[in-house]
Amino acid sequence: QVQLVESGGALVKPGGSLRLSCAASGFIFSDYYMSWIRQAPGKGLEWLSYITNSGKTTYYADSVKGRFTISRDNAQMSLFLEMSSLRVEDTAVYYCARDGPYFYDSGVDSWGQGTLVTVSS
Amino acid sequence: QLVLTQSPSASASLGASVKLTCTLSSGHHDYAVAWHQQQPEKGPRFLMKLSSDGTYIRGDGIPDRFSGSSSVSERYLKISSVQSEDEGDYYCQTWATGNRVFGTGTKVTVL
Repeated sequence: QVQLVESGGALVKPGGSLRLSCAASGFIFSDYYMSWIRQAPGKGLEWLSYITNSGKTTYYADSVKGRFTISRDNAQMSLFLEMSSLRVEDTAVYYCARDGPYFYDSGVDSWGQGTLVTVSS
Repeated sequence: QLVLTQSPSASASLGASVKLTCTLSSGHHDYAVAWHQQQPEKGPRFLMKLSSDGTYIRGDGIPDRFSGSSSVSERYLKISSVQSEDEGDYYCQTWATGNRVFGTGTKVTVL
C-alpha cells in the first residue's frame, strides 16, 4: 500500500533554514506528481508546492515562492522541501502528499503523517 | 481565481445523514474535486475524487457510507449512518496546472 513518511521537522530560529524529506513506498514513485502541504496550528490546509513526476517542473504558492524549493530523487523514491528565510508564520505541520499520475493530473490521493516545523526565537 | 467555498460547520445525530457542500468559484464549474477527512489530532485522509458529472471513486478502505454528487458548481459529500468516528474536519480540494486549492473546511459534529 502507499506509504509516505516525512522527516526533518525541528525547532528553528527565524531566518533559519531546514530541509524536509519524504520517503515513499508502495507505488511507482516516478509516475506521480508530488506535493507539500502544511497546516498551521488551528488552521486549515495550505498547498505549498508540487513537482512533476520527472522533477523538471515545479510550482509554488505565493506564500513560499523564492524561499522554499521542492525537489525529488526518483531513484531513492524521495521527496524534499528546502526551506530558507523561515518566518514565525511558517510554523506548521508539513505533509507530503501523492498527487496525480503524470498522465492524469488528479489531485492528492494519499497523505503522509506529517512533520512539525516550529519557527521561534 | 480558483476558489473553493465551504460552510464552517455542520452537525448530525448518530445514525443520521449529513451532506457537506463545496462550491467552485465562477467559471470553474467543470472542475473535479477531492474530499479529505481529518479526525481530531490526526493527519488528513483521502476520501474520494468527485467529477463534475457526479461520478466518484472512493479511496481504499473508505466505507460506502461516504458518497458524492455534483450539481453545476457544487460538489457534495454525503455521510450516511453517521458514526462517532466521522467527527472531524472535511476539506475539499481541486487542481489546475500550476495550482492546487483547498477549501476552508467544514467541521462536522456528531450529536
